[in-house]
Amino acid sequence: AQTVTQSQPEMSVQEAETVTLSCTYDTSESDYYLFWYKQPPSRQMILVIRQEAYKQQNATENRFSVNFQKAAKSFSLKISDSQLGDAAMYFCAYRSARTGAQKLVFGQGTRLTINP
Amino acid sequence: KAGVTQTPRYLIKTRGQQVTLSCSPISGHRSVSWYQQTPGQGLQFLFEYFSETQRNKGNFPGRFSGRQFSNSRSEMNVSTLELGDSALYLCASSLDRSRGSPLHFGNGTRLTVT
Repeated sequence: AQTVTQSQPEMSVQEAETVTLSCTYDTSESDYYLFWYKQPPSRQMILVIRQEAYKQQNATENRFSVNFQKAAKSFSLKISDSQLGDAAMYFCAYRSARTGAQKLVFGQGTRLTINP
Repeated sequence: KAGVTQTPRYLIKTRGQQVTLSCSPISGHRSVSWYQQTPGQGLQFLFEYFSETQRNKGNFPGRFSGRQFSNSRSEMNVSTLELGDSALYLCASSLDRSRGSPLHFGNGTRLTVT
């Protein structure tokens, strides 16, 4: 079974600075997807960024980028120029690439605080 | 396009009762999955429905069940409620079951069992 571990329960950063959230995972599969989701107080899980395991290039979405290290099974999220609206719980998630595999396996989450 | 809609947003029930939660997926989405979120266990997969059939099931007791209707709307039911069932229940929809089809989540239903 796949597992996802986020070792930082809480992180804080000054507004406009950069922060990196860590995630490691365990799987025997070679083809899969990795995601970072954000959950603000509104409770809705919002997709921040996703990475396909067969792509070596790290995904980027505006101020959000990942450092995907497949051999090390590491998938960290970097947030540049942090904004107050980035404050939320961040979840790392794994999903098999097998067709029909809709199940996400989540980490325990990291609570990110942005200090003005 | 409207997002995933979950009703009700909050629910308070008593131990032993049963509860039904509803989820309307994004228009055109045919796959619906459910997750339970608690402080202790985090986010756990409950089940997934596609074309009115349960396709995957997580490690939950039989008290947790669900169904999907022909319009893709889904309901989940929890019978004989226990205190430990208090949680945020999240519904997610995706267009289909093809690889990489992204999941879109609703705002959840907060269930409190007293």
